[in-house]
Amino acid sequence: GDSVTQMEGPVTLSEEAFLTINCTYTATGYPSLFWYVQYPGEGLQLLLKATKADDKGSNKGFEATYRKETTSFHLEKGSVQVSDSAVYFCALSDRQGAQKLVFGQGTRLTINP
Amino acid sequence: DTGVSQDPRHKITKRGQNVTFRCDPISEHNRLYWYRQTLGQGPEFLTYFQNEAQLEKSRLLSDRFSAERPKGSFSTLEIQRTEQGDSAMYLCASSFIPTTYEQYFGPGTRLTVT
Repeated sequence: GDSVTQMEGPVTLSEEAFLTINCTYTATGYPSLFWYVQYPGEGLQLLLKATKADDKGSNKGFEATYRKETTSFHLEKGSVQVSDSAVYFCALSDRQGAQKLVFGQGTRLTINP
Repeated sequence: DTGVSQDPRHKITKRGQNVTFRCDPISEHNRLYWYRQTLGQGPEFLTYFQNEAQLEKSRLLSDRFSAERPKGSFSTLEIQRTEQGDSAMYLCASSFIPTTYEQYFGPGTRLTVT
């Protein structure tokens, strides 16, 4: 079945550092790809998405590009802030049928001032 | 639009008891999903509804679990004869097909079975 693999955490960075969180996927079709974020004590929020190959999703300074050739959707940010501390989940869904989300295990990010 | 709401936010129950959770989706969203998230893991799909019809159930959803969405509005998830392994965060999400495929999540119900 479909699956998502994220780089293992936790990840700890200093403020203004460059961030990359790796995500690769396995899918039989051509899924849509998502990054969700879960801030402490809050629910899951959609951070960005891409629906086809070479699409770039972006939001709040975060970016991720749908790479079909490497089956990857790595999350990047050029300069992280303390407020970016959260758990980040990579996910995919089919574009037909149930469109249920398949999540990676999550990566906990801590940014130190 | 108040977003997806879930009730209760926390539930502590003893093993063998029945529990019921409620989810109110974003109004006019025709799809409603249930997921389960255990500590340190990503959410896992349990089931989903298109309007009032339950169209798919994961094999994670044993026969002790039942979900309903009467009239295609709010949904309930019931767990009968709870077990310690049922302890988890139960998440609800809604979306509107075909206009947008994004799923909006509620805050979740944390279940602890003692």
